[in-house]
Amino acid sequence: RKEVEQDPGPFNVPEGATVAFNCTYSNSASQSFFWYRQDCRKEPKLLMSVYSSGNEDGRFTAQLNRASQYISLLIRDSKLSDSATYLCVVKGGANNLFFGTGTRLTVIP
Amino acid sequence: ETGVTQTPRHLVMGMTNKKSLKCEQHLGHNAMYWYKQSAKKPLELMFVYNFKEQTENNSVPSRFSPECPNSSHLFLHLHTLQPEDSALYLCASSHKDRGSNEKLFFGSGTQLSVL
Repeated sequence: RKEVEQDPGPFNVPEGATVAFNCTYSNSASQSFFWYRQDCRKEPKLLMSVYSSGNEDGRFTAQLNRASQYISLLIRDSKLSDSATYLCVVKGGANNLFFGTGTRLTVIP
Repeated sequence: ETGVTQTPRHLVMGMTNKKSLKCEQHLGHNAMYWYKQSAKKPLELMFVYNFKEQTENNSVPSRFSPECPNSSHLFLHLHTLQPEDSALYLCASSHKDRGSNEKLFFGSGTQLSVL
C-alpha cells in the first residue's frame, strides 16, 4: 500500500469555481502534513502546512481528518494562476517525508 | 529565488559517462536531500544528510554516489547510469529541529537524460 495516495486528476475547472482535493495516508502515526504546489517543469514549493484544527490562507483552506486518515485542500474562486500540480506530503513515523503523485489542476478561462 | 541552486539544469549523458550534479543552499539549513522525480511517480527520497552526515540511503543503486563536504553543498556523482535513471533530480534543504513542522525548500532540479 502506498504511503500517500492522491487522485491524479486532471481536474479542469472554470475560473471562479471552487475545487477540492483529497489525499489519504496509510500511517496512523504520521505527525505532519503539507500541501506543496509544483508548476510545470519547476520545483515543488510549499503551499501550506495542515494543522489539526484546519487552517486557511486566503482562498486556500486545508483540513486534516485523523480518524479517516485524510487531508484536503479547498481552493475558492479559482484563478488561472492556480493551474499546477498539488502534492500531498506526509511526515511519517521515521521522520521521512512521503509525497503523493500529485493532483493536476487546470483552471480554464 | 528559492535559496537552493542546482547545476546543471539539463544533462544528457551516455551510459558510460561520469558526471556530477551540484547543489548549494544559502538558507543556513542543516539538512540536505536528493530526490528523484519520474513521470507519473511520487518523489522518491534518495539520500539525506544531517549536519553533513548521511542518515538515509533508500536502497539507491551504487551508480549514484552522494557527497556532502559541508552543510551548504551537496553533490550527486553519477556513473554507468541506465536509461531508466532518466528523471528530474531535485535537491532540497531544511532546518531539522525537534519539532515536526519541517519544511523543504527545493532547487530547480536537474533534468537528466541517459542515452
